[in-house]
Amino acid sequence: NAGVMQNPRHLVRRRGQEARLRCSPMKGHSHVYWYRQLPEEGLKFMVYLQKENIIDESGMPKERFSAEFPKEGPSILRIQQVVRGDSAAYFCASSPGQGGNTIYFGEGSWLTVV
Amino acid sequence: AQSVAQPEDQVNVAEGNPLTVKCTYSVSGNPYLFWYVQYPNRGLQFLLKYITGDNLVKGSYGFEAEFNKSQTSFHLKKPSALVSDSALYFCAVRDLYGSSNTGKLIFGQGTTLQVKP
Repeated sequence: NAGVMQNPRHLVRRRGQEARLRCSPMKGHSHVYWYRQLPEEGLKFMVYLQKENIIDESGMPKERFSAEFPKEGPSILRIQQVVRGDSAAYFCASSPGQGGNTIYFGEGSWLTVV
Repeated sequence: AQSVAQPEDQVNVAEGNPLTVKCTYSVSGNPYLFWYVQYPNRGLQFLLKYITGDNLVKGSYGFEAEFNKSQTSFHLKKPSALVSDSALYFCAVRDLYGSSNTGKLIFGQGTTLQVKP
């Protein structure tokens, strides 16, 4: 059973470009979470999605960031017009449900904005 | 608001000695608590969780954690540390009682464990 799959693992973008990060949850998991880890900092929640629905986007910056989890295909975290401050590791996680279910993390996508 | 705190940025221990990484929590209901480990440039690996039941929880790689309701703590422990245990450790609580209560994990700041040979 494959784990949470994220790609690309590393991404370099110039300021002003768009970054798209993809996440395929573990098999049987319908809940997806995105977190951001800035250098030398902890993990900050960004958004929580279920299939075709955004459940909690309280951690998403108001502008330039969006996320989706379509009926078919991976979840996408999209960052438009990237700036240097967007350089970070972006982690996707999935779980089969809420409550006591374990949330499993992917290996991350490292975004560098030059 | 739900939160966890890891009071130590770094813990240093000699190989073979017992280790403890501290975590305290603040929730308005029964807590669902988790420990994760992160190696450099890698994702988070699940170690163990407390949902209910026995206060001593055993997890992966010989780690265990003790849930203490009166002290609102969930410290991670290992009887004998290995150099390979050196990593960044995160405590987390499931947000089930906050204003959003959507079940996301809320993380502490992390504690770097350094095990010296």
